[in-house]
Amino acid sequence: GIQVEQSPPDLILQEGANSTLRCNFSDSVNNLQWFHQNPWGQLINLFYIPSGTKQNGRLSATTVATERYSLLYISSSQTTDSGVYFCAVELNSGYALNFGKGTSLLVTP
Amino acid sequence: DVKVTQSSRYLVKRTGEKVFLECVQDMDHENMFWYRQDPGLGLRLIYFSYDVKMKEKGDIPEGYSVSREKKERFSLILESASTNQTSMYLCASSFRVGRVYTFGSGTRLTVV
Repeated sequence: GIQVEQSPPDLILQEGANSTLRCNFSDSVNNLQWFHQNPWGQLINLFYIPSGTKQNGRLSATTVATERYSLLYISSSQTTDSGVYFCAVELNSGYALNFGKGTSLLVTP
Repeated sequence: DVKVTQSSRYLVKRTGEKVFLECVQDMDHENMFWYRQDPGLGLRLIYFSYDVKMKEKGDIPEGYSVSREKKERFSLILESASTNQTSMYLCASSFRVGRVYTFGSGTRLTVV
């Protein structure tokens, strides 16, 4: 099946810092989503971004489908950004999202 | 906004019990999914459904079954619970293939 690799696996930031999370995938996809999982386990969709660039407040994402990677940018991080960030992709011929193992982010005051 | 509701937040069951996890979505989505999440393993797909009474196996279906009698409800069944099924179970729905997923808040199941 498709491989989804996220990096880094863990990240510690001080409040106010910027960061970039990366997602590499091994095949052509028709669906790519970024999620944030809060400390209570709820997965929140951040971006639906099979290609191109989107921005939502302090967060933005870029997917370069031809090169099989996506980036999630977090600017001016806040403690509430802490949690696990997942990238998930669906093959062109696929049927469901395949998840990476996530990046665990801790933002300290 | 689409709401996906999982019936229990926490559940403790005994080995060998038959366990039902319920998931209901309120936006007429065609597709529904069950994942389990374990530390170090990420989210893995158990079963999914594209339509009423239709089901497809995901990556780890062993020990599970599902039921979708109505479009809005997708149930995960542990036929005979075992301790290695202790996990966080997450239900999701999407309008159709290739569209945004919405997840429920999860059920943390402990099998003792």
